Amino acid sequence: KAGVTQTPRYLIKTRGQQVTLSCSPISGHRSVSWYQQTPGQGLQFLFEYFSETQRNKGNFPGRFSGRQFSNSRSEMNVSTLELGDSALYLCASSLWTGGIGYTFGSGTRLTVV
Amino acid sequence: TQLLEQSPQFLSIQEGENLTVYCNSSSVFSSLQWYRQEPGEGPVLLVTVVTGGEVKKLKRLTFQFGDARKDSSLHITAAQTGDTGLYLCAGVGESGGYQKVTFGIGTKLQVIP
Repeated sequence: KAGVTQTPRYLIKTRGQQVTLSCSPISGHRSVSWYQQTPGQGLQFLFEYFSETQRNKGNFPGRFSGRQFSNSRSEMNVSTLELGDSALYLCASSLWTGGIGYTFGSGTRLTVV
Repeated sequence: TQLLEQSPQFLSIQEGENLTVYCNSSSVFSSLQWYRQEPGEGPVLLVTVVTGGEVKKLKRLTFQFGDARKDSSLHITAAQTGDTGLYLCAGVGESGGYQKVTFGIGTKLQVIP
């Protein structure tokens, strides 16, 4: 079966711009979680969506938002980009909430210049 | 706040050597997962341990969950170059009424031929 698909794989944006990242989960998986990964901080939880509802949210500013569609595909948006937002953004899908049995996508590498 | 500390953060060994990676916390987790991540890819789930004292073996990899469910270790016997990667532990526990996944910062392993 197809894995978790994240698009785009690489992105370069300028400070102040906004960006939208996409994640298509494994077919049948209803939960999508988003993480930011940086060398110094590791994986930091952004938010989790289940059946189009945000179930949990990490400690990120309001510039970071997300949504989930009826087909379980999810998008995350970052507005007013800052240099510190440069990171690998990973999405993980699972059948249920709670992080049991995550399957991760390959990530989107965002560079803010 | 649930924190997971991994040690060592970096490890460079010769092929054929044994190694152990540790994951420690002051919090109790309902389960603990180990992932391996290769450059440019998302983490891949290796194992989930659920019961305190549980030991799971995956070929040359042995995973142990501490009796108190606060710590875990990963032991690799006769390391091979294909074991090179970032090893992440992740604890699943309740926080604020939700099941939450907390990742350690990772152990970067390099196996030299």
